Amino acid sequence: AQKVTQAQTEISVVEKEDVTLDCVYETRDTTYYLFWYKQPPSGELVFLIRRNSFDEQNEISGRYSWNFQKSTSSFNFTITASQVVDSAVYFCALSEDNYGQNFVFGPGTRLSVLP
Amino acid sequence: GAVVSQHPSRVICKSGTSVKIECRSLDFQATTMFWYRQFPKQSLMLMATSNEGSKATYEQGVEKDKFLINHASLTLSTLTVTSAHPEDSSFYICSAQRRGGINEQFFGPGTRLTVL
Repeated sequence: AQKVTQAQTEISVVEKEDVTLDCVYETRDTTYYLFWYKQPPSGELVFLIRRNSFDEQNEISGRYSWNFQKSTSSFNFTITASQVVDSAVYFCALSEDNYGQNFVFGPGTRLSVLP
Repeated sequence: GAVVSQHPSRVICKSGTSVKIECRSLDFQATTMFWYRQFPKQSLMLMATSNEGSKATYEQGVEKDKFLINHASLTLSTLTVTSAHPEDSSFYICSAQRRGGINEQFFGPGTRLTVL
């Protein structure tokens, strides 16, 4: 069975600090997809990244970067020079299915960036 | 981009009434739509998967007679909460998978249901 763990329930940082959100997953499949979503107070999910299990390259997008380590089943997300607007709940998710089904979300990490 | 809308965005109803929530894919055809429920400070939990023209598949523990799902077209799925009770108060989010798309769900903005 697939499972996603986000051990950090809540994190608070001061603006401009770097912060890493952890995500550890469990799956028996060799082919799977990992996602990160941002959920601001408005509630709407914002897609951040999708990574398939065969692509272990780390990715950087502006202040965001992702570290995918299959050896430790982790897909961590780092925000560099955090800003108040980064305050949100961040969800890591896993899908074992090529057709987008069997989508499992982690419990989420609430990030508060203080001015 | 692929846009998914939900209507209404917020609804308050009395206990015992039924509420219908619409999920529309605005600029693409969606063969599959998903309905999630999110209680305060919790994660999203999949309720059901609906394929156009067929009956929805419900997750374990979700009452199909209480949460009626209709996916009548490639751009519209509806969730009806029948005889709503205060414990049904939650944030309901739909997502849609593009026809021919692989492993990508586009999420709607959510509907906040409050049952008094």
